[in-house]
Amino acid sequence: LAKTTQPISMDSYEGQEVNITCSHNNIATNDYITWYQQFPSQGPRFIIQGYKTKVTNEVASLFIPADRKSSTLSLPRVSLSDTAVYYCLVGGATGGGNKLTFGTGTQLKVEL
Amino acid sequence: DGGITQSPKYLFRKEGQNVTLSCEQNLNHDAMYWYRQDPGQGLRLIYYSQIVNDFQKGDIAEGYSVSREKKESFPLTVTSAQKNPTAFYLCASARSVGSNEQYFGPGTRLTVT
Repeated sequence: LAKTTQPISMDSYEGQEVNITCSHNNIATNDYITWYQQFPSQGPRFIIQGYKTKVTNEVASLFIPADRKSSTLSLPRVSLSDTAVYYCLVGGATGGGNKLTFGTGTQLKVEL
Repeated sequence: DGGITQSPKYLFRKEGQNVTLSCEQNLNHDAMYWYRQDPGQGLRLIYYSQIVNDFQKGDIAEGYSVSREKKESFPLTVTSAQKNPTAFYLCASARSVGSNEQYFGPGTRLTVT
C-alpha cells in the first residue's frame, strides 16, 4: 500500500478556505485517493474520493495533479464544526479497500 | 434508518477476562472491518471479513478473534492474550471487497484494569 504523508496539524479561521495536501509518491496505477474526517470519540466519515484531476461534492473538492503523487483536499469557507482530524488514504479498487491504512492524519483547528 | 451500530459505547473489564464487542449493520454490505485506535493515533486494522463465514487477519490480529455467521453481524472478542486491550474500537462496513468508502459505527471505548 502506498504510504501517505500529510501535515500533523493546521489552523484556520471561520470563513477561510483550507487546503490540506497529502503526498503519496508510491501510489500504484489502480489506487484511488480517499479522504475521511473524524471527530473526537466518533468513527471516521467518508468525505471524498478521486482518481485523477478534480472531484467536487457538496462538502469538499479534491485536486489531483497529473502525476498523482499528491492530492489536495479543499474545504471551502470552514466553520468551527470543521475542526476535526482529516485522513488521506490511498488504495486500489481491486483490493486496497480491504486494508485501508489510516495514518495519524491532519488535525484541523478552526477558530473564530 | 440504515446504519452501523456498536454496543456498548463504554465497556469496563478486569484484566484476564475475555470481552466481546458487538457490531451490527443493516446496510446490506458484504465487507466488514474492525479497527483499533489509541490516543492521538490513526486506526489500525484488526480483522476484516469479505463475506459470511470468511474473515482475514489485519495488521494487529494477535489477542483478538472474530466470527461472521451472519451478513449483518461481525462481533469482536478481545481475549486475555491481548497485552494492551484498553483502546477505542471501531467497526466499519463497505459495499464490496474493493470499496474504499467505509461506513463506521460510533465506536466502543474499552477500559481494562
